[in-house]
Amino acid sequence: DVKVTQSSRYLVKRTGEKVFLECVQDMDHENMFWYRQDPGLGLRLIYFSYDVKMKEKGDIPEGYSVSREKKERFSLILESASTNQTSMYLCASSLPTFTGQYFGPGTRLTVT
Amino acid sequence: AQKVTQAQTEISVVEKEDVTLDCVYETRDTTYYLFWYKQPPSGELVFLIRRNSFDEQNEISGRYSWNFQKSTSSFNFTITASQVVDSAVYFCALSEANTNAGKSTFGDGTTLTVKP
Repeated sequence: DVKVTQSSRYLVKRTGEKVFLECVQDMDHENMFWYRQDPGLGLRLIYFSYDVKMKEKGDIPEGYSVSREKKERFSLILESASTNQTSMYLCASSLPTFTGQYFGPGTRLTVT
Repeated sequence: AQKVTQAQTEISVVEKEDVTLDCVYETRDTTYYLFWYKQPPSGELVFLIRRNSFDEQNEISGRYSWNFQKSTSSFNFTITASQVVDSAVYFCALSEANTNAGKSTFGDGTTLTVKP
């Protein structure tokens, strides 16, 4: 079974803090994705990566950066957290062959 | 640009009723892939099915069935004899074959509530 794990289920941070969200997958998938999920807005793609050290902006990259130093790990970084980044963050991984994405359990981030 | 529309925001049914979740998509590509995902109350999205644009055969898996019609750009999902465990948010998604990393565009989701 594909397993995608995220470092925290719940996280509370203060405005201005630097926040790291970690995602690890154990199925040797090339592709990894970060989404945020907000009520009424569905899933919006923040960044994705199709190889180690490769990254591309998604639909809403502003205020975020990512790092992929190893194939299995994809980190989302909020350089200076703001209250409008309070959200559910979902990580996913997939093969490069459009076979569907496998999601982690999500991190609910609250920025106060 | 690709777009996925799930017009039904919320649906409520009583157990054992059949229910259809609608998905309409837009794309200029001739080669693309369509997906359905389920997000139960626990929160983790689960991949259900993939269809490519050259395969319009309907698919049935137990109580689940999918109807793909290119003529109407729709990929609808039907649950027969619904159960309380089917309560979840369901997302339809589209990937164009020429995109990097197979990234998908998701619809806004349909929240299905099945009452006992």
